[in-house]
Amino acid sequence: EAGVTQFPSHSVIEKGQTVTLRCDPISGHDNLYWYRRVMGKEIKFLLHFVKESKQDESGMPNNRFLAERTGGTYSTLKVQPAELEDSGVYFCASSQDSSEVPPAKNIQYFGAGTRLSVL
Amino acid sequence: AQKITQTQPGMFVQEKEAVTLDCTYDTSDPSYGLFWYKQPSSGEMIFLIYQGSYDQQNATEGRYSLNFQKARKSANLVISASQLGDSAMYFCAMREGHTGFQKLVFGTGTRLLVSP
Repeated sequence: EAGVTQFPSHSVIEKGQTVTLRCDPISGHDNLYWYRRVMGKEIKFLLHFVKESKQDESGMPNNRFLAERTGGTYSTLKVQPAELEDSGVYFCASSQDSSEVPPAKNIQYFGAGTRLSVL
Repeated sequence: AQKITQTQPGMFVQEKEAVTLDCTYDTSDPSYGLFWYKQPSSGEMIFLIYQGSYDQQNATEGRYSLNFQKARKSANLVISASQLGDSAMYFCAMREGHTGFQKLVFGTGTRLLVSP
């Protein structure tokens, strides 16, 4: 079974440009999460989808970030326009519907991340 | 507010020895889950072990065990019989609540280096 896949693995763009990150969750996982790690700091939550609906977007830094999950399968995270402080590693994670497993043991499985460098 | 603290930025251990990676947490929610993830140089975050706040016994998964001390609010990861492949970043994380949906809050990580 394929894990969480993210594309691209690395993106280098100039300030002011637009970048779109993609995440393909584990097949059948309804929950999809985006996280970000800025250099040397902790990994921070950005938002959470349940199927195609945004369940929690409290971690989105500002309106330059737009996340979508049309059809409830893969998700995209667009940064427009990118700023220097957006540089970091963007992780995607997915987990099962909590009706399928005990909620307390609902594990989030992560991808390898997309390293974004804004110059 | 939730908080995870990992006070060891780096740890060194010799192959075949045991090592403990520290993690303390802060929460006012009686229901929570604690997780450890491993991030090797390839970048992928690999789930290692989970401990629920109401679990009576410490979690174990192969060579990984979690030393859960609820009163001290600590959830240290113990790796027994270290292997060269254990060299990686290790992150402690917490999820509050009981529905399983909530976000994870992470510590800053500990880089473990296993030497021959």
